[in-house]
Amino acid sequence: AAGVIQSPRHLIKEKRETATLKCYPIPRHDTVYWYQQGPGQDPQFLISFYEKMQSDKGSIPDRFSAQQFSDYHSELNMSSLELGDSALYFCASSSRDRGPNQPQHFGDGTRLSIL
Amino acid sequence: KQEVTQIPAALSVPEGENLVLNCSFTDSAIYNLQWFRQDPGKGLTSLLLIQSSQREQTSGRLNASLDKSSGRSTLYIAASQPGDSATYLCAVRPSNFGNEKLTFGTGTRLTIIP
Repeated sequence: AAGVIQSPRHLIKEKRETATLKCYPIPRHDTVYWYQQGPGQDPQFLISFYEKMQSDKGSIPDRFSAQQFSDYHSELNMSSLELGDSALYFCASSSRDRGPNQPQHFGDGTRLSIL
Repeated sequence: KQEVTQIPAALSVPEGENLVLNCSFTDSAIYNLQWFRQDPGKGLTSLLLIQSSQREQTSGRLNASLDKSSGRSTLYIAASQPGDSATYLCAVRPSNFGNEKLTFGTGTRLTIIP
């Protein structure tokens, strides 16, 4: 079965640079979520989108923005990168139209390293 | 604010033993609880989702239980195998409309000794 696809798998940037992470949800999933997992920490929710509209917002810095496109893929844009942004960034998807008790399925993540 | 705790943080057991992982949460207003597995540097694999109205869910050698009123869930792994070695995370989804984010526990790092 098709899973959530994230690209790139690894990304190395320097401080103050920008980065764009991409997420392709499972086909027919309408909701996308972004999480950040720092070293040795549990994943923290950043933001989610349903049908191309922001549906919930967590601890996402103002330097970050995200959107969901008409084909349901999503991009997380990160600017003025800081050392503390080094983390594993996960995208997850689910099908909200099938009800609230649908599991969130996660991609393999993008490992972002800031030098 | 929802807080999710997993105890113990690490667990080592010999191959073949049955084991229980614990998850507790402070706010019982949840839609569901999900158990995940994470291998080092890898993504999260969903193992089981248990709805707030359910008491337990089973998948193969895994059995998850939920006691919503007491804010507790357990993941039972039968006949453990070395391939079960990973970090196990539980996560809860709140029940208020529009709030979809999962709140994760800090995980239990499981090592199965051959």
